Amino acid sequence: EIVMTQSPATLSVSPGERATLSCRASQSVNINLAWYQQKPGQAPRLLIYGASTRAPGIPARFSGSGSGTEFTLTISSLQSEDFAVYYCQQYNNWPPYSFGQGTKLEIK
Amino acid sequence: EVQLLESGGGWVQPGGSLRLSCRASGFTFTSYAMAWVRQAPGKGLEWVSTMSGRGGTTWYADSVKGRFTISRDNSKNTLYLQMNSLRAEDTAIYYCAKGEFLDNWNYARDPWGQGTLVTVSS
Repeated sequence: EIVMTQSPATLSVSPGERATLSCRASQSVNINLAWYQQKPGQAPRLLIYGASTRAPGIPARFSGSGSGTEFTLTISSLQSEDFAVYYCQQYNNWPPYSFGQGTKLEIK
Repeated sequence: EVQLLESGGGWVQPGGSLRLSCRASGFTFTSYAMAWVRQAPGKGLEWVSTMSGRGGTTWYADSVKGRFTISRDNSKNTLYLQMNSLRAEDTAIYYCAKGEFLDNWNYARDPWGQGTLVTVSS
């Protein structure tokens, strides 16, 4: 089973600044990685798939990069609506599909 | 407009059973693998089970294997999750999610359902 580890657990950033979230896989997942955003009381929302492809309707300030075992989600200029919890998920070796434990992005 | 509407959650005692339903609309249901993903209170996301678009193949997380059964009725555009021998650790919001392809779910395409809460407690 592939274990996904996200860091940091909590990230404090000011609006307008850049946020960089990390996700590491216990073994290579190639580029078979997705990122989701979840706001309190809401279902998750797909942001990125294929490590770097934005899902339909996702603003360009969200970008994904990486391959193999190291991945990054970057939000270039934080808006108030971006403060949420972010999850990565691998789909290279399944079952199981495995999620990271999440990074909470909070306002500094 | 794609919509997923879960139902069937509620309170059940340990050892009990529940059947969740997910009614899909706005897309060709038979063309996509579907999954159940759960989230325990205050915790992260956990993949539970997946079924291919035509229903021929199923996969389960080890934590639910032998207790949960996923199924679908393509004539009703509905996905099900039969949950037996429920445990306290099954307490969670259960989401259904549309996948990327017919056979491989891969990841959850938007939108997810709103989720249905299952509480297992005595």
